[in-house]
Amino acid sequence: AQKITQTQPGMFVQEKEAVTLDCTYDTSDQSYGLFWYKQPSSGEMIFLIYQGSYDEQNATEGRYSLNFQKARKSANLVISASQLGDSAMYFCAMSDSGSARQLTFGSGTQLTVLP
Amino acid sequence: GAVVSQHPSRVICKSGTSVKIECRSLDFQATTMFWYRQFPKKSLMLMATSNEGSKATYEQGVEKDKFLINHASLTLSTLTVTSAHPEDSSFYICSARDWGSSNQPQHFGDGTRLSIL
Repeated sequence: AQKITQTQPGMFVQEKEAVTLDCTYDTSDQSYGLFWYKQPSSGEMIFLIYQGSYDEQNATEGRYSLNFQKARKSANLVISASQLGDSAMYFCAMSDSGSARQLTFGSGTQLTVLP
Repeated sequence: GAVVSQHPSRVICKSGTSVKIECRSLDFQATTMFWYRQFPKKSLMLMATSNEGSKATYEQGVEKDKFLINHASLTLSTLTVTSAHPEDSSFYICSARDWGSSNQPQHFGDGTRLSIL
């Protein structure tokens, strides 16, 4: 069984600063994918970034980067130059190696960007 | 990018009513769609995996007769909450994945807020 752990229920960051959201995972699969999604208060789930278990380089997408440490089973999300619009719930998720690629979600981190 | 449309976005109805929620992949084919339920300030809980042309696979503890799922085409899956009661009030959200690549993320609809009076 897969498990995703997000230990920070809430985080605050000053506008224009960087912030790291923690995510650790547990799986017996050799092949898996790690995802980060953003959920604003309106409810939609916005895909941010993906890291494959065999990817050697950390994924980056604009202001988002994923700090992937396979031996530690961690996949932290780094947001650089925070903006007020970054305030939202952030979910870390993992897909399994099955054909359906089901996602297992962490409990989420509520990020608040302060002006 | 891949777009998933979910309708309706908000439903308020009386107890005992059945409610149908639609999930459509607009610009890609989705042989598999997923239905989630989310309580306030909680994570997404997978309810079922919807497979085109076959029966849905339900997660443990999810009532099949309460939450009917139909996936009649490669672009449409529906979730029907039958004889809804106040405890069924929740945020329901669907997702689909474009099968072009194993690295493709699931794309989500905007969700449906269901309130049963």
